[in-house]
Amino acid sequence: SQKIEQNSEALNIQEGKTATLTCNYTNYSPAYLQWYRQDPGRGPVFLLLIRENEKEKRKERLKVTFDTTLKQSLFHITASQPADSATYLCALDRGFQKLVFGTGTRLLVSP
Amino acid sequence: DTAVSQTPKYLVTQMGNDKSIKCEQNLGHDTMYWYKQDSKKFLKIMFSYNNKELIINETVPNRFSPKSPDKAHLNLHINSLELGDSAVYFCASSAGLAGGQETQYFGPGTRLLVL
Repeated sequence: SQKIEQNSEALNIQEGKTATLTCNYTNYSPAYLQWYRQDPGRGPVFLLLIRENEKEKRKERLKVTFDTTLKQSLFHITASQPADSATYLCALDRGFQKLVFGTGTRLLVSP
Repeated sequence: DTAVSQTPKYLVTQMGNDKSIKCEQNLGHDTMYWYKQDSKKFLKIMFSYNNKELIINETVPNRFSPKSPDKAHLNLHINSLELGDSAVYFCASSAGLAGGQETQYFGPGTRLLVL
């Protein structure tokens, strides 16, 4: 069956360091992959979209990679700040107009 | 100016009751969605509508019935509520119907607690 896996444990890092979050998938061949941020008590907010023919995408301090051979996406936040603390969700295109979400990884950036 | 709004924000009700959640978007989008996020934070699609037409209907009990009176509104009616329906329900919208390449805009969520 199709699966999307993100680290269920929280990732704790110090301010200023680079945070790296992982999204692994099996039995999928998504054409697109998206990353969303979710704060407690709020809906997810779109961050970045990457296509299968793109290896890397950047937006300000954010960088996403997409390795279709490894079936993995990495999400990096450089020079992390306490305000970056949130849950980050990856979402894959499953075809038929469906976006399937991972369970998310909680990031805690301490001052 | 809220892009995707939902009402109510909180809903506490007894088992067996019928309730509705409303969603409105002012982004001019053609497609709207309902998602359910359970206690483990897993976000799962339930329905999607494009221009008032049902597009996605995942394996959801018949007790859940979406209704789209126009493309800016998508409501969710739930009959005979059960304990397992307790979750956060999110409405979302996207410009078109291209699925994985569309950015989705989410509402603030409706926290439903069935007692």
